[in-house]
Amino acid sequence: EVCLVESGGALVRPGGSLTLSCAASGFTFSHSAMHWVRQAPGRGLEWLSSITGSGTYVYYADSLEGRFIISRDNANSSVSLQMHNLSVEDTAVYYCARGSNSYLGSSGDWGQGTLVAVSS
Amino acid sequence: QMTQSPSSLSASVGDRVTISCRASEEIRHYLAWYQQRPGKLPVLLIHSASTLQSGVSSRFSGSGSGTDFTLTISSLQPEDIATYYCQKYNSAPLTFGGGTKVQIK
Repeated sequence: EVCLVESGGALVRPGGSLTLSCAASGFTFSHSAMHWVRQAPGRGLEWLSSITGSGTYVYYADSLEGRFIISRDNANSSVSLQMHNLSVEDTAVYYCARGSNSYLGSSGDWGQGTLVAVSS
Repeated sequence: QMTQSPSSLSASVGDRVTISCRASEEIRHYLAWYQQRPGKLPVLLIHSASTLQSGVSSRFSGSGSGTDFTLTISSLQPEDIATYYCQKYNSAPLTFGGGTKVQIK
C-alpha cells in the first residue's frame, strides 16, 4: 500500500523559511515523479513543484519566484520542499503526491497534508 | 492555464452533470480529473482524459482531447457532493483548473 507522510508544517513569521518533508513507502520510489501541491484556506488546489524520479529534472510554478527548492533522496524514499521568504499568502495545507510515472504524471496517491501558517 | 466551467452548479439526485475544462494550449490526452469532498483529500477520478481510475464509480466518465475536456456524472448521487478539479500534466506547469463545486438542489 502506498503511503505518503508529510511533516515540517509550522507557524512561521513573514520572511522566514521552512522545510517540508514527505516520507514515502509502498512503491519503488525512484520510479515515480513526486509533486508538491498546496491549498490555501477556502481556495482551490495549486501545483507548486515536481521532481522526476531520478531527480534530474525539477519544475516550479512561476508564482513561486524562485523561493522554493524541491529535492529528493531516493535512498531514503523522501522528497523535500525548502521554502524561503515566506509571506502570509503561503499559508496553506501542503500536500505531496506521487506521479503516475517517472517523468510527471497524474497523482493517484496523496499525503494527508501538513499545515503551514505564516503570520506575525 | 486551465479554465473550468461552471464554477459551481446545483443539480438534483439522478441528474446528469457535465463539467468542462479548457486548456490554453494543446495537451493531447494529458488531463486528469480529481474529486475533493469537503475536508478530505483530493481523489483521482480519471487520467489520460478518459481512463477511469481503479475503484472509481462508473458513474464518472471523461472525454475530450487537445484543448477541450469534459467530466460527466451520469446520475448524480448525494456522495458526489464535492469540488472537482481538472489538471494538465503533459508538461510543467501542472496547472489545476479553478474547480467546480457541485451541490444537490
